[in-house]
Amino acid sequence: ETGVTQTPRHLVMGMTNKKSLKCEQHLGHNAMYWYKQSAKKPLELMFVYSLEERVENNSVPSRFSPECPNSSHLFLHLHTLQPEDSALYLCASSQDRVGSGNTIYFGEGSWLTVV
Amino acid sequence: AQKVTQAQTEISVVEKEDVTLDCVYETRDTTYYLFWYKQPPSGELVFLIRRNSFDEQNEISGRYSWNFQKSTSSFNFTITASQVVDSAVYFCALSEGDKLIFGTGTRLQVFP
Repeated sequence: ETGVTQTPRHLVMGMTNKKSLKCEQHLGHNAMYWYKQSAKKPLELMFVYSLEERVENNSVPSRFSPECPNSSHLFLHLHTLQPEDSALYLCASSQDRVGSGNTIYFGEGSWLTVV
Repeated sequence: AQKVTQAQTEISVVEKEDVTLDCVYETRDTTYYLFWYKQPPSGELVFLIRRNSFDEQNEISGRYSWNFQKSTSSFNFTITASQVVDSAVYFCALSEGDKLIFGTGTRLQVFP
């Protein structure tokens, strides 16, 4: 069983829908991340949370709204998305922030299709 | 700006061949970390190795080995006696502050 679990694994949503992606880490880590992986583009960091505080927002459109209620859970709320937002969304965690030499561990990802 | 280049987009080999995946990076930091991840078709990024900038010792783990050369800013990954299960996309990454900067990945296909 992976230390970082994401649900749902697959999601199809219309452009007017509101949905959420959920991530839970079982590793006792203090930092959590959302990454986006689109076809033919490098992995892009979206958000970083450290001890439940958002420390990085990588110029992500407001139609993506993260929430970190505690150090084990991370959500990505989605609303009025565009077809180009279709991608694999990867959640990850690390003991502390990457800058201290910590390793990031990823979940299996949520495949999102916007129709 | 930090940058990671994986020039090989796709590599195909036959089982039992050795294969090397190249990674070249650019950074102005004196302390940094380099990583390799494997992404099978299921999507999960699997951590393989982390190397800090002060440790240039090469590492071997089973059929995997890594060659870190600071002089050429390279961190190459070799799979010895490849197997079909090694088929995946492999990513090299570099730390930048609290971010990981990823290369575009190398897709490795190992045929029986």
